[in-house]
Formats: sequence, C-alpha cells, structure tokens
Amino acid sequence: AQKVTQAQTEISVVEKEDVTLDCVYETRDTTYYLFWYKQPPSGELVFLIRRNSFDEQNEISGRYSWNFQKSTSSFNFTITASQVVDSAVYFCALSEDEGAQKLVFGQGTRLTINP
Amino acid sequence: DVKVTQSSRYLVKRTGEKVFLECVQDMDHENMFWYRQDPGLGLRLIYFSYDVKMKEKGDIPEGYSVSREKKERFSLILESASTNQTSMYLCASSRGGTGNTGELFFGEGSRLTVL
Repeated sequence: AQKVTQAQTEISVVEKEDVTLDCVYETRDTTYYLFWYKQPPSGELVFLIRRNSFDEQNEISGRYSWNFQKSTSSFNFTITASQVVDSAVYFCALSEDEGAQKLVFGQGTRLTINP
Repeated sequence: DVKVTQSSRYLVKRTGEKVFLECVQDMDHENMFWYRQDPGLGLRLIYFSYDVKMKEKGDIPEGYSVSREKKERFSLILESASTNQTSMYLCASSRGGTGNTGELFFGEGSRLTVL
C-alpha cells in the first residue's frame, strides 16, 4: 500500500530564513509520481511540482527547490529566503498512475513565516 | 482564469439530513474528484469520476454517493449525514487522456458541520 508521511506538523520561522519541509513515501511500484501542493488560507490547493520516479534530478524554481532521493524514499521541499506569503499548509502526495487519479496525500505541514 | 467552483463555503446540517455538495469546473476536464480534509489526516479520496456517468470509489466511500450527469458538474451526496462527516470537502478536476499531467485543480472547499 502507498503511504506518505510528513512528520512535521507545524513549522514556524522568521522571514528570510530557509526552511525545509520533509516528505517520506512508501510504495511497492517502480513507477510512481510525487507531487507538492500549497494550500494558502483561502483553502484552494495549488499545484507546485510533479516528479516521476525515473527522474532524480533536483528541481529549482525561484526560491523553491525540491530534493528527490530514491535511496531514502524522500522528496523534500526547501524554501530559500522565506517570505510571509509562503505561509500555508503544504502537502506532499504520491500517485502510482501518471494521471494521478488516486493521489495519496501526506498529513500536511503548516508553515508560518513571521515578519 | 480556470476555475473549480464549489456551491457552498459553509454548511450546517442536522444528523440524518440529506446533503448535496455541488462542484462545477469550467476547464472541460474529464476527471473530477471529491476529497475530504481532516486535521492530521491530510486529504483522503472519497470518489472520482473519469467521464460523465462514470465513477470509481476512492479510499473512503462509505456513507457517500456521487452523481455526474454533465461533464462540468460533480455532486457529492450524503444520504443521511452523521456527525463523523463533519469535515472540509474539496472538489478537484484534471484533464484526461494524453493531456493529463496529473495536476489537479482544486476548489476552495466546503466546510460541513453536522450537528
């Protein structure tokens, strides 16, 4: 069975600090897809990234970066120079099908960036 | 601007009532989903639909049913609401077929309280 664990329930940092959100997953499939979503206070989840199991290259998008390590079954998310607008709940998710028809989500990490 | 719209942001119902949660998307997406979000549990899939009148059970379908009579509309039905169905309900949609990147587009959620 698939499982996603986000052990950090809440994180609070001061603006401009770097912060890493951890995500550990379990799956028996060799082909799978990993996602990160952001849920701001408005409630609407927003897609951030998708990574397939064959691509272990790290990804950087502006202040955001993702570290995918199959050896440790982890897909961690780092925000560099955090800003107040980064405050949100972040979810890591796993799918065994490319279309993500059955996404399995982690518990979420509530990130608060203090001015 | 693409959009998934949920009919009610907040609902309060009594135990035993029949409850309808409506969701409409304007992106001509084939796939539509209903998730519930609970603290410490993340998002869990209730049902999804990959075409009009087609549906599949997710991880927690008990106590729920769905209806998809038109491509743009996906309804979640609680036949007889119970207090343990108090939760945030999130609707989402995604493309089908070869255009599907696995990205889900979410609505803002419907917070249901059952008394």
